[in-house]
Amino acid sequence: DTAVSQTPKYLVTQMGNDKSIKCEQNLGHDTMYWYKQDSKKFLKIMFSYNNKELIINETVPNRFSPKSPDKAHLNLHINSLELGDSAVYFCASSYRGQGATNEKLFFGSGTQLSVL
Amino acid sequence: SQQGEEDPQALSIQEGENATMNCSYKTSINNLQWYRQNSGRGLVHLILIRSNEREKHSGRLRVTLDTSKKSSSLLITASRAADTASYFCATHTPLVFGKGTRLSVIA
Repeated sequence: DTAVSQTPKYLVTQMGNDKSIKCEQNLGHDTMYWYKQDSKKFLKIMFSYNNKELIINETVPNRFSPKSPDKAHLNLHINSLELGDSAVYFCASSYRGQGATNEKLFFGSGTQLSVL
Repeated sequence: SQQGEEDPQALSIQEGENATMNCSYKTSINNLQWYRQNSGRGLVHLILIRSNEREKHSGRLRVTLDTSKKSSSLLITASRAADTASYFCATHTPLVFGKGTRLSVIA
């Protein structure tokens, strides 16, 4: 019954590997996001999708590629993982996205990525 | 940078006391939101205050907004151990978060 669910919760991998994180929301929201939270708890937006279309792509290495097969899913694929990619990645969704002024975000519980 | 800045970075109080956290931002806003993050969990929306509002209440939470000073405060009254968490303010679209205030409520 979880509104925004992401898997896996923990991901431990070696440098250079490729990995994916999956996210699904059952709230009927139009917009989904990926945020990255570093070790100092700073939360930074990476991507935003509205109805399967990319609307925000912050300065993120092109090793990170989001994919949205439908508006309920937004997956994050990371190629050639680096040590600096270690962080907690959060998926979120909102009812109204780009241009809206009162969006409230619903977050998943996070994926802790550790690159060794 | 458009991000909010919370102050203090960390706050430790006794159960039953009030906790006040502050947030400052740099550019004009339509609204400001506060979120809570429990350890190992995602952020949870607490309250939204619009730019034309000065104060808003929700249960034990009281939020104020001073657009002339570009600042907001979150007051948690009669704190409980379960209030232990990090608290973030967020502004703009898409939401830009500060670094948060880590609140510890000691029973």
